[in-house]
Amino acid sequence: GESVGLHLPTLSVQEGDNSIINCAYSNSASDYFIWYKQESGKGPQFIIDFRSNMDKRQGQRVTVLLNKTVKHLSLQIAATQPGDSAVYFCAENYGGSQGNLIFGKGTKLSVKP
Amino acid sequence: ETGVTQTPRHLVMGMTNKKSLKCEQHLGHNAMYWYKQSAKKPLELMFVYSLEERVENNSVPSRFSPECPNSSHLFLHLHTLQPEDSALYLCASSRTVRGLAGLNEQFFGPGTRLTVL
Repeated sequence: GESVGLHLPTLSVQEGDNSIINCAYSNSASDYFIWYKQESGKGPQFIIDFRSNMDKRQGQRVTVLLNKTVKHLSLQIAATQPGDSAVYFCAENYGGSQGNLIFGKGTKLSVKP
Repeated sequence: ETGVTQTPRHLVMGMTNKKSLKCEQHLGHNAMYWYKQSAKKPLELMFVYSLEERVENNSVPSRFSPECPNSSHLFLHLHTLQPEDSALYLCASSRTVRGLAGLNEQFFGPGTRLTVL
């Protein structure tokens, strides 16, 4: 069925290292993806979006890569900082869902000082 | 601040109580959403409103009753809830519900932490 999932439920990295958070999606018709960050006690916050006609997209310290062959999306965070500690969600969308987003469970990123 | 506010932030209620959650967006968006976030589960979409009309109801029990009086306000009326309904309830808004990439980025409120005793 349609699902968005994350390979690793938790990820612990050292401050200054790069982080890679992975996401697998099952609907090959999905054409739009969003990464959200959710800090403790807050709602999800938009990080970056990504369209399926891209191979790569870069934002501030973040890079999104898409591998359509294996339906795999990754979020790379450069020089991870303590403020990056949060749960990260991948969400997918395809036109047939009236624009609704389907969310994965999330990966908890912990940054060690 | 995302431009989406929710009240109350925390709510404890008994199974026989009636309460309401409120959401307000200050972004001029046309679509609003209710989500349920439980531990160890993905965000679950409950309801979608577009221009004050409900466009999606994801098999949500009738003890949850949404109301959208205008495009800036969304309510979730609760009655005779069960302990398993305890969760974080998130409201979100977007410019449109249409599946056009880039137009349906959703902005979330901070959520209401609901505990049903």
